[in-house]
Amino acid sequence: AQSVAQPEDQVNVAEGNPLTVKCTYSVSGNPYLFWYVQYPNRGLQFLLKYITGDNLVKGSYGFEAEFNKSQTSFHLKKPSALVSDSALYFCAVRDYSSASKIIFGSGTRLSIRP
Amino acid sequence: DSGVTQTPKHLITATGQRVTLRCSPRSGDLSVYWYQQSLDQGLQFLIQYYNGEERAKGNILERFSAQQFPDLHSELNLSSLELGDSALYFCASSEGTGLSHEKLFFGSGTQLSVL
Repeated sequence: AQSVAQPEDQVNVAEGNPLTVKCTYSVSGNPYLFWYVQYPNRGLQFLLKYITGDNLVKGSYGFEAEFNKSQTSFHLKKPSALVSDSALYFCAVRDYSSASKIIFGSGTRLSIRP
Repeated sequence: DSGVTQTPKHLITATGQRVTLRCSPRSGDLSVYWYQQSLDQGLQFLIQYYNGEERAKGNILERFSAQQFPDLHSELNLSSLELGDSALYFCASSEGTGLSHEKLFFGSGTQLSVL
């Protein structure tokens, strides 16, 4: 069975500092990996995805994520945090060898202080 | 605006009642997904439809059912409601079946409160 874990409920970072939101996954085959962001009172918005190829994926709003197969991780990163990055972030995984289930992690609340 | 429309935005009802949540996907999207978001369970996948047919099932209770109509809109029916069913219910759509790597577009959700 596929699963995804976000070990931190909350991450606090000062504005201008780099940020990392952690995600690890478990699938039986090769994974498709995603990051989504949820702002208050809004639905989730797609940030980026890993399919194959380059392990460093660039996405929206200056975010990037690094796929590490040996550590089964897909951490979200940004070199310089903005207060407006404060939101709830979800990692998601889909095993393309199974039928269409996209599983989300429990979410990490990112708080950027001025 | 994601292009996915969910109605109603808020729903307050009593235990034992039945409600219907509605979702209109983005124009042209064939797949519709339903998710339940609660504080203790996180974002739980309920069910997916592709072009009118059920494609994948997640942690959906027997009291819940869904369908996708010929015009591709979808409805999630929740019956014999319990206090624990209070949650934010999201609909999402995508172009294909979900067997590829397309991204999901989420609606703003329906906040269900069971009193």
